[in-house]
Amino acid sequence: GIQVEQSPPDLILQEGANSTLRCNFSDSVNNLQWFHQNPWGQLINLFYIPSGTKQNGRLSATTVATERYSLLYISSSQTTDSGVYFCAVAPKTSYDKVIFGPGTSLSVIP
Amino acid sequence: KAGVTQTPRYLIKTRGQQVTLSCSPISGHRSVSWYQQTPGQGLQFLFEYFSETQRNKGNFPGRFSGRQFSNSRSEMNVSTLELGDSALYLCASGRDVQPQHFGDGTRLSIL
Repeated sequence: GIQVEQSPPDLILQEGANSTLRCNFSDSVNNLQWFHQNPWGQLINLFYIPSGTKQNGRLSATTVATERYSLLYISSSQTTDSGVYFCAVAPKTSYDKVIFGPGTSLSVIP
Repeated sequence: KAGVTQTPRYLIKTRGQQVTLSCSPISGHRSVSWYQQTPGQGLQFLFEYFSETQRNKGNFPGRFSGRQFSNSRSEMNVSTLELGDSALYLCASGRDVQPQHFGDGTRLSIL
């Protein structure tokens, strides 16, 4: 089945710093989403981005489907950005089964 | 617009018991997916329902089952609970399998 990798696994940032999180997938996908799981366990939908670039405030994402990767950019990080960031893909061969990556754990310190 | 609602939020059971968790999707969403999240295994796909039909299933034993009703509400059932079933169970809904919107989860503890 499809493999989803995320890097880095852990990241510690000073408040105000920028970061780039990466998601690689081993096969063609129909769809890709980025989520933020906050310290209370809530999964918040950040981007639905099967291809192209989207921006929402301090966050932006780019997916290059032909090269099988997606990037999540966080600018001017804040302590509330702390948590785990997941990418999730729906493989072309199994579009109704969403596979999550292992996540990037982000800690933003004041 | 109400979000995805999961009940109960917390549950404590003992080994051998069974449990039923409920998920009410966002109005108009016909796809409901269930996931198990544990510290060791991460987020693992359990199953996905669309219009009352199970379209896909993850690699979980038969003790894990689910169903979806005509109003798109879904339940999952775990029988003969084991200690390893302790986890956060998350439900997600969508018009199709993606994009997904998640509920707050049910935290299940097995004693």
